[in-house]
Amino acid sequence: AQSVTQLGSHVSVSEGALVLLRCNYSSSVPPYLFWYVQYPNQGLQLLLKYTSAATLVKGINGFEAEFKKSETSFHLTKPSAHMSDAAEYFCAVSSSDKLIFGTGTRLQVFP
Amino acid sequence: EAGVAQSPRYKIIEKRQSVAFWCNPISGHATLYWYQQILGQGPKLLIQFQNNGVVDDSQLPKDRFSAERLKGVDSTLKIQPAKLEDSAVYLCASSLVGGGRQETQYFGPGTRLLVL
Repeated sequence: AQSVTQLGSHVSVSEGALVLLRCNYSSSVPPYLFWYVQYPNQGLQLLLKYTSAATLVKGINGFEAEFKKSETSFHLTKPSAHMSDAAEYFCAVSSSDKLIFGTGTRLQVFP
Repeated sequence: EAGVAQSPRYKIIEKRQSVAFWCNPISGHATLYWYQQILGQGPKLLIQFQNNGVVDDSQLPKDRFSAERLKGVDSTLKIQPAKLEDSAVYLCASSLVGGGRQETQYFGPGTRLLVL
C-alpha cells in the first residue's frame, strides 16, 4: 500500500528565506508523487508532480522538488519565500489513479 | 477554461438533517472524484466515477452517504442523516481520462459543511 508522511505540521520562515517542506513516501511500486497547495477557503492547486522522468521537478511559483529513491523522499523547496506563499501544502502519492494525501504542512511567512 | 465548480460553498445543518452537494467538472473530463477533508487532515477519497459508473466507493459510508453522476457530467453527493463527525470540507475533483497514476486531478473550491 502507498502512503506519504509529511514531517512538521507547521513551518515558519521569514520572507526571503529558504522554504523546505518534507515528504517521505512508502510505495510497493515505482511512485508517482504530487505536491498540491491549498490557499485559505480554496481548493487544491497542483504545484508539481514526479512521473519517473527527471528526478528534479520544477513547478509553479518557483517551487521545485527532488525525488530521492534511496531516501524515499520528495521534499519541496523554494529558494526565497514570499508572503503570498503562506498556505497549506499537501504531498500525495498515486495509488492506481487514486491520490493518497499526507496530513499537510501549514507554511507561515513572516515579514 | 472553466475550472471545477461546486455549490454551495458553505452549509450549516443540524445533526440528523440531510444535505446535498453539487459538482460540475471541467468540460470533457471523464473521471470525477469526491474527497472529504476533515480539519487538520489531508483529503480522503470517498468515491470515484468514470463517466457515470462507479470505479471506487470503498471509503464511502454507504449507510448515510450516496452519490450519483447520472449523465456522466454533473455529480451530487448526499448525506442523510448527517452526524457531527461529517463536519468537513467536501472537495470535488476531475481528471481528463482516469485510470492513469500520473494523471493530474483538478480540484474545485470545496463545500464547507458544519453539522451542529
